[in-house]
Amino acid sequence: GAGVSQTPSNKVTEKGKYVELRCDPISGHTALYWYRQSLGQGPEFLIYFQGTGAADDSGLPNDRFFAVRPEGSVSTLKIQRTERGDSAVYLCASSFDRRPPLHFGNGTRLTVT
Amino acid sequence: AQTVTQSQPEMSVQEAETVTLSCTYDTSENNYYLFWYKQPPSRQMILVIRQEAYKQQNATENRFSVNFQKAAKSFSLKISDSQLGDTAMYFCAFMGSNTNAGKSTFGDGTTLTVKP
Repeated sequence: GAGVSQTPSNKVTEKGKYVELRCDPISGHTALYWYRQSLGQGPEFLIYFQGTGAADDSGLPNDRFFAVRPEGSVSTLKIQRTERGDSAVYLCASSFDRRPPLHFGNGTRLTVT
Repeated sequence: AQTVTQSQPEMSVQEAETVTLSCTYDTSENNYYLFWYKQPPSRQMILVIRQEAYKQQNATENRFSVNFQKAAKSFSLKISDSQLGDTAMYFCAFMGSNTNAGKSTFGDGTTLTVKP
């Protein structure tokens, strides 16, 4: 597609539920990134993929968070046993071979009630 | 670890005037990239301007320019002839080119309001 696509745009879930957030990067971009942006703050790095493998997952806050990119294109961020503190905008970005600039999607706003 | 500090949570400017947003950063790397992103209410982070640390010349993109002071670890953004459409949140960001390549660090942003 023309840009990075993230679905859903908004997600409301109850505490304790499981959620999946999807990111479809720009075609041909080998690097894919996930960031989390809490209200009033800048994006915080979660994980990035080079191809199918997670090159750096040091930003994942705990083992409830997991991300996959099985075919080196679409990625899914998975959050188990959601907590109210997980409420944030989750941004996805892609780039060609880790080279800047990063191209961002419109994010998914996750609200945990 | 890298840190990025934006000391101005909010700024305002009259339409057609000039405004400067501040950013300082800390790193032990010698080669890296610096960016300014704009985030309107649509949430999409839009790249405004980028600077490679090895380049001494300050980057310029139309009405946007930077003042990059490598020794002082300072990277300010100047917006000339401000327009109403420039109203948004602006983030300064750092990306290393070596061990931390791919992992950008962002400041907490400056909310800019352009007044008619």
